[in-house]
Amino acid sequence: GGIITQTPKFLIGQEGQKLTLKCQQNFNHDTMYWYRQDSGKGLRLIYYSITENDLQKGDLSEGYDASREKKSSFSLTVTSAQKNEMAVFLCASSLDRSSYEQYFGPGTRLTVL
Amino acid sequence: QQKVQQSPESLIVPEGGMASLNCTSSDRNVDYFWWYRQHSGKSPKMLMSIFSNGEKEEGRFTVHLNKASLHTSLHIRDSQPSDSALYLCAARTQVVGQLTFGRGTRLQVYA
Repeated sequence: GGIITQTPKFLIGQEGQKLTLKCQQNFNHDTMYWYRQDSGKGLRLIYYSITENDLQKGDLSEGYDASREKKSSFSLTVTSAQKNEMAVFLCASSLDRSSYEQYFGPGTRLTVL
Repeated sequence: QQKVQQSPESLIVPEGGMASLNCTSSDRNVDYFWWYRQHSGKSPKMLMSIFSNGEKEEGRFTVHLNKASLHTSLHIRDSQPSDSALYLCAARTQVVGQLTFGRGTRLQVYA
């Protein structure tokens, strides 16, 4: 088994601020993902990474940057936080590009004041 | 327009009843569907997946797939209050490494 950890669990920022969310997995999975979930709604893909140092944009990448410097970690940066940014950000991983069963972390809840 | 559409948006069933949830993709490149369950305040967990026409059963849960219409459905028999959750349908397209999720169906099972 393995686990995905996300830090911080809660993140409060000011409008216009640059904010970074972190994700670590010990599954030894190749592929990692960042999703945004607005209250009670489905998931929208922001960025994903097939392997270390790879980055692929999802449907919602505008306003975000990502970084995959190590296989086990994947960071997401909100470049300029907006009030409508308040959501839960979920990190996930899957074994490789062919395996689409994704395992999710507990999420980071972002609030922008 | 959402590429993966789920219906109904919410569903209330009595304990012991049958819950039926639907999911359709408008992307002809979809070849695989997943169902995830997300309890309130928790992260989504994979429930079942299907890629062949027909049905697949695991305990109280049955998934159907019609590949021609790109429609899948999840049926939960003998529903329990612990089944109350947001059910997310996800579809795999030929874009490697990417799933598209629907908005979900919120199921409430009352005792």
